[in-house]
Amino acid sequence: AQTVTQSQPEMSVQEAETVTLSCTYDTSESNYYLFWYKQPPSRQMILVIRQEAYKQQNATENRFSVNFQKAAKSFSLKISDSQLGDTAMYFCALANAGGTSYGKLTFGQGTILTVHP
Amino acid sequence: KAGVTQTPRYLIKTRGQQVTLSCSPISGHRSVSWYQQTPGQGLQFLFEYFSETQRNKGNFPGRFSGRQFSNSRSEMNVSTLELGDSALYLCASSLGSGAENQPQHFGDGTRLSIL
Repeated sequence: AQTVTQSQPEMSVQEAETVTLSCTYDTSESNYYLFWYKQPPSRQMILVIRQEAYKQQNATENRFSVNFQKAAKSFSLKISDSQLGDTAMYFCALANAGGTSYGKLTFGQGTILTVHP
Repeated sequence: KAGVTQTPRYLIKTRGQQVTLSCSPISGHRSVSWYQQTPGQGLQFLFEYFSETQRNKGNFPGRFSGRQFSNSRSEMNVSTLELGDSALYLCASSLGSGAENQPQHFGDGTRLSIL
């Protein structure tokens, strides 16, 4: 069984500063995908960034980037130039590529990020 | 392109009743997954459907069931409702069933409250 752990229940950051959210995971599969999703108070889950485990290069999407450490099973999210609209719950999630994991995302418990003006 | 549509947005039921929630995926998406979100348990996978077949199932009792139609729309049903079933139910769609067809795109959810 796979697990995803987010050890920071809450984080806060000042507008325009940088913040890093932590995530560790465990899976017995060799090929898998990792995601960061954002859930604002409006409650719709929005994909922030995605990383394929077999790719060495860390994914980036504008102000969002990840630090993927496969050996350590660590997948942190860095948000640069934080904006008020980044205030949300952030979830780290894992999808195994094989086996019987069809359509299943395993989520961490989430980190509430508050961006202060 | 329209996103994932879930109806209804809010629902209030009493213990012992049953409920049906609906999810229309993004056009062209054939995989639909359902999740339950609660403050205590977080996000938990319920089941996934692809081409009208349930391909994967989470660790939920048999009171939770679902189906998918030929147009990829999906419904989930919960029978004999319990207080603990109060949750936000999220539906997500993707092109295919495997992880290589991720990411999943989520709807706004249905907030179910049991009195």
